[in-house]
Amino acid sequence: SYELTQPPSVSVSPGQTARITCSGDALPKEYAHWYQEKPGQAPVLMIYKDSERPSRIPERFSGSSSGTAVTLTISGVQAEDEAVYYCQSAGSNGTYPVVFGGGTKLTVL
Amino acid sequence: EVQLVESGGGLVQPGGSLRLSCLASGFTFNNSWMYWVRQAPGRGLEWVANIKQDGSETYYVDSVKGRFTVSRDNANNLLYLQMNSLRAEDTAVYYCAKAVIDYGDSWFDPWGQGTLVTVSS
Repeated sequence: SYELTQPPSVSVSPGQTARITCSGDALPKEYAHWYQEKPGQAPVLMIYKDSERPSRIPERFSGSSSGTAVTLTISGVQAEDEAVYYCQSAGSNGTYPVVFGGGTKLTVL
Repeated sequence: EVQLVESGGGLVQPGGSLRLSCLASGFTFNNSWMYWVRQAPGRGLEWVANIKQDGSETYYVDSVKGRFTVSRDNANNLLYLQMNSLRAEDTAVYYCAKAVIDYGDSWFDPWGQGTLVTVSS
């Protein structure tokens, strides 16, 4: 089955820039979307269609795409950004409509 | 405010059944594909099932086919997940989510707060 690969963890100091990658063979032709999940809370959509940001999401969150990888960038990381971030894209051959990456735990040092 | 509220989770023995509900508000429910996504303890997100706006199409992850049934009541803005023959590996927080669809691509916004299903003797 089709998979999206994320690093298990990323650590940054407050005020620095965090970059979380998600790779998958279909990403050159499929959009990716990003969710933030904090303990005990529902996932929240942060970025859709690789780089679009919902109006309620702070401007420090951005997304980009290059080849078989997409990147979620958090500029000027704040303590409240500590969370697990998941990428999601379309699944393969119609059997699985969506697929999620394994998640990346962002630690703010 | 667009909102999804799940209920129905709990502790159930292996082989038992549960029915999860998801009450939607703040949007036109019968215009939306709806999904169930779960998260096992310490694991990532996993798509479980989804259902078309009118309920005419449903899809399931292989591991729940024949055991779970997704349905909806558009008159009352309710989404359901009937879970039978439950196994320990079904233990998870179950989320309902509203799909946003754009030219065949789908993403989820919003998600419910989740309901915990624990399968254990």
